[in-house]
Amino acid sequence: GAGVSQSPRYKVAKRGQDVALRCDPISGHVSLFWYQQALGQGPEFLTYFQNEAQLDKSGLPSDRFFAERPEGSVSTLKIQRTQQEDSAVYLCASRPWGEDQPQHFGDGTRLSIL
Amino acid sequence: SQQGEEDPQALSIQEGENATMNCSYKTSINNLQWYRQNSGRGLVHLILIRSNEREKHSGRLRVTLDTSKKSSSLLITASRAADTASYFCATDGAYNTDKLIFGTGTRLQVFP
Repeated sequence: GAGVSQSPRYKVAKRGQDVALRCDPISGHVSLFWYQQALGQGPEFLTYFQNEAQLDKSGLPSDRFFAERPEGSVSTLKIQRTQQEDSAVYLCASRPWGEDQPQHFGDGTRLSIL
Repeated sequence: SQQGEEDPQALSIQEGENATMNCSYKTSINNLQWYRQNSGRGLVHLILIRSNEREKHSGRLRVTLDTSKKSSSLLITASRAADTASYFCATDGAYNTDKLIFGTGTRLQVFP
């Protein structure tokens, strides 16, 4: 079956531009997560949705980062006024309801800010 | 911030050899998971071990967990070139079972 799909796979933007990254989770998965992965590092948590509710946004690095999941399915991570330090791979994961369920990851969006 | 450290940071072995990676973490957990990441790809779930378990097997994978030392190890037996990837441990928080907190990863290279 279809996995988690992220688009675009690569995004290059000039500093100061706004970007929007899309995540299509696995159908029926209740939970959706966004992570940021710097080169050579493990992923770091950004934010988490259960259906359309954003339950945890403690990992968002600044108020320039905004995420939404208005209908409880597709999610968008938006970064306003991008800075060079925003360059990273942004990973989306979804998880079905239930105890000890693993997260299923997309291949990520590699964002480069020039 | 990362939950903890993995060691070694990098490991190179020949096909057929065993590979052992270690992970340490900082807080209480409900479970610990291991993920694999091929270059330029997302993470793939390998195995989950609960905090009340000490050892778990899945195919060529063996995971141990020592909650008193806040550490885990992943053993891959009879490695193959296709096992070449980065391996990450990830923990949930005992009071927050939603987000995962990842270690720094071990880059495994298996030579044919």
